[in-house]
Formats: sequence, structure tokens, C-alpha cells
Amino acid sequence: KQEVTQIPAALSVPEGENLVLNCSFTDSAIYNLQWFRQDPGKGLTSLLLIQSSQREQTSGRLNASLDKSSGRSTLYIAASQPGDSATYLCAVRTGNQFYFGTGTSLTVIP
Amino acid sequence: EAGVAQSPRYKIIEKRQSVAFWCNPISGHATLYWYQQILGQGPKLLIQFQNNGVVDDSQLPKDRFSAERLKGVDSTLKIQPAKLEDSAVYLCASSLYNAGNQPQHFGDGTRLSIL
Repeated sequence: KQEVTQIPAALSVPEGENLVLNCSFTDSAIYNLQWFRQDPGKGLTSLLLIQSSQREQTSGRLNASLDKSSGRSTLYIAASQPGDSATYLCAVRTGNQFYFGTGTSLTVIP
Repeated sequence: EAGVAQSPRYKIIEKRQSVAFWCNPISGHATLYWYQQILGQGPKLLIQFQNNGVVDDSQLPKDRFSAERLKGVDSTLKIQPAKLEDSAVYLCASSLYNAGNQPQHFGDGTRLSIL
């Protein structure tokens, strides 16, 4: 069964820093990997989706990379802002199932 | 475009009672998902519909949980009877269709508390 791990569980950085969030998965036979953001009491907001044939995706200050062979993905956030404070989750699709990590709680300090 | 709508936002019931949640996906989205998110964990997929057919329900506890999407648009998820361990947020999501390049869009969820 696919297992998804996110490290660290929590991260606190000063405003303006660049940061990297990590996601690892045990089964490399994935269709895609998606990064989400979750604010307290809210649903998930899709940030980036990387298909299995792709190596990276970019949207604004966000860049996500995928290394299927090693079972790893990173989410890079440039020039962090207090509004980036949220929990970030990654999810992989294997067949018709979606497996989520437990998330990294990010706090950006003004 | 309007997002995924879910109701109610909160529900408190006693164990052994029944409860139902409603979801209206983004207009035109053929694929609908129900997830259970227990506090401190990532969401767990319970069931996936493509139009009004079930694609995957392998993690749905079928002895107490049921879901339907009769007209291929909105959907209901029911729990009967509820157990204490069912306390969680129930999230509904939709995507345009069931393909690897389609992102999922989530509603704000229904927070269920079992007393």
C-alpha cells in the first residue's frame, strides 16, 4: 500500500525567506502528484499538479519538483509572506486511489 | 465559477444516530470524491464517482457508510449508525473528469462530532 510522508511536520520561518517542503512516497507507480494548501477550518486548495511524465511545475512563487524513481517531491516557496501560513499537503494518485501525507504546518513570521 | 458546495458545515450527533451530508460539485465536473479527514491526518478517500457510477469505494466502511449520486450531479454521504471514531471532517471534491492531469477542487467540508 502507498505511504506518503511529509517532513517536517511544522516549520517556522521569517518573512522573505525561501523554503522547501518535502514529500516522499513508497510506490513509484504514480499517475500524478498534487500539492495542496489547507487553511484552518477550510477545504484544500490545489496549488500544483505534476503528472508522472513531468519533472516540475511552476506557479508564481511556487515550484514543485518530482523524482519518481526516488519517490520524492519538493515544494519550493520563494520570498515567503505571512499569507503563506497554512498547512501544505501532498497527495499521490495510484490507480484510482489518492494517498495524502499528514502535511507540513508552515508559519511565516512578519 | 462557483466552487464545491457542502452542507451542513457542522453536525453534532450522538453515537448510534444517523447523519447525512450533501455535496454539489462544480458545474460540469464529472468526477466526485468523498474524503474523511481525522484531526491531524491527511484526507482518506472513501468513494469516487464518475457521473453516477462508482469508480472506487474500496475504503468505504460499507456496513455503516453509504453514498449516492443518482443524477450524476450532487451527492449525499450517509452514516448509519455513527460510531465515536467517525468524528472527522468530511470533504467533498470534484474534478472535470477522471484523468491524471485533472486537479481536484475541494469544498470546505462538514465537521462531524459524535457524542
